[in-house]
Amino acid sequence: SAVISQKPSRDICQRGTSLTIQCQVDSQVTMMFWYRQQPGQSLTLIATANQGSEATYESGFVIDKFPISRPNLTFSTLTVSNMSPEDSSIYLCSVDGKYEQYFGPGTRLTVT
Amino acid sequence: QKEVEQNSGPLSVPEGAIASLNCTYSDRGSQSFFWYRQYSGKSPELIMSIYSNGDKEDGRFTAQLNKASQYVSLLIRDSQPSDSATYLCAVKTAGEYGNKLVFGAGTILRVKS
Repeated sequence: SAVISQKPSRDICQRGTSLTIQCQVDSQVTMMFWYRQQPGQSLTLIATANQGSEATYESGFVIDKFPISRPNLTFSTLTVSNMSPEDSSIYLCSVDGKYEQYFGPGTRLTVT
Repeated sequence: QKEVEQNSGPLSVPEGAIASLNCTYSDRGSQSFFWYRQYSGKSPELIMSIYSNGDKEDGRFTAQLNKASQYVSLLIRDSQPSDSATYLCAVKTAGEYGNKLVFGAGTILRVKS
């Protein structure tokens, strides 16, 4: 199984600012996934990040709001831009294992 | 829109009882199905995966799949208070850019001692 770490684990930010979340995996992976979990809700896929190409975004998510970088096979960042209180969520990084998907510990974001 | 439906609960069962969690999905082409457990404030952890019709057992957990009915279930035998959590059903489905996991809303399970 993959070991995934995320930084920061939590943050409180003011509206209008941006936060970059880092995701580090202990092995090389082709695809990394970013999910959002709003309070009391399930997980929603934001985008899929492949190394060396542009991230692909799901319906309802755009690159200007959630720019993603994927500089190598073990690392990715997700930026939440121009934040509003509606962006308060847990943001989770995930990678594919041989048969299943593994999740990082998440970043709990509160926007005031 | 490919969907995964779960009863949100909460489902309350006494300690030692069998907890039955259910999930239906809309994409008939789906081939991979997963149950994740999520404790409050934690990230999801995989409990079971199932790919073929029938039952798959792992300890106290049994996953059941019926592709004709587009139905997946999770049985937890001898339920313990430590099983109290949200259980997420996830289905791997074909997306516009490749396969992706679609999650249900989750079922809250409460095991009472």
